[in-house]
Amino acid sequence: QKEVEQNSGPLSVPEGAIASLNCTYSDRVSQSFFWYRQYSGKSPELIMSIYSNGDKEDGRFTAQLNKASQYVSLLIRDSQPSDSATYLCAGRYNFNKFYFGSGTKLNVKP
Amino acid sequence: GAVVSQHPSWVICKSGTSVKIECRSLDFQATTMFWYRQFPKQSLMLMATSNEGSKATYEQGVEKDKFLINHASLTLSTLTVTSAHPEDSSFYICSANLAAGVSYNEQFFGPGTRLTVL
Repeated sequence: QKEVEQNSGPLSVPEGAIASLNCTYSDRVSQSFFWYRQYSGKSPELIMSIYSNGDKEDGRFTAQLNKASQYVSLLIRDSQPSDSATYLCAGRYNFNKFYFGSGTKLNVKP
Repeated sequence: GAVVSQHPSWVICKSGTSVKIECRSLDFQATTMFWYRQFPKQSLMLMATSNEGSKATYEQGVEKDKFLINHASLTLSTLTVTSAHPEDSSFYICSANLAAGVSYNEQFFGPGTRLTVL
């Protein structure tokens, strides 16, 4: 099992819909998790971090962490074509090193 | 805040030459910086952890004599790809994390350097 796993997608949703991105992690990963957005040819951009069980909301984005089931998710409400990108889930281990998932490609269709 | 810059943004070089990439934290001090490599359609792979004033820590399988890392100050880390070969062509990205504050533990990425070795 990879330390952080994501479905590679692509995930296609219509404009205005809710996009749901999921990530599972292994025991090696600590309880700090991060979602990054990466446009093609660009470097990752931090969207949200989540450390505690439950939901964390920031604008159209909601991160959810379930430690018992070892998964973390990102919901994007009112999806826009500009949200089309690859979303990377990352978990912290060994001081400040991150494991990154392989990323889920999201396509938001107008 | 938390802006990280990289230079150059892209570089093309001949096989056998060395290339230096700079990573700077512009508005904060970074005691630790990270260097990643990303091949097309693949995820980020951590190459090494760069610590200010000490030797870098390399991940398994990364040749430390080929990828020289220097973290000379709290705002600058450099990666030198020595004797570059076509298989070293990749997207190299650095990141830095804030040592304290609201964004503690978050990593902020530079814009990346695309290296093409002919």
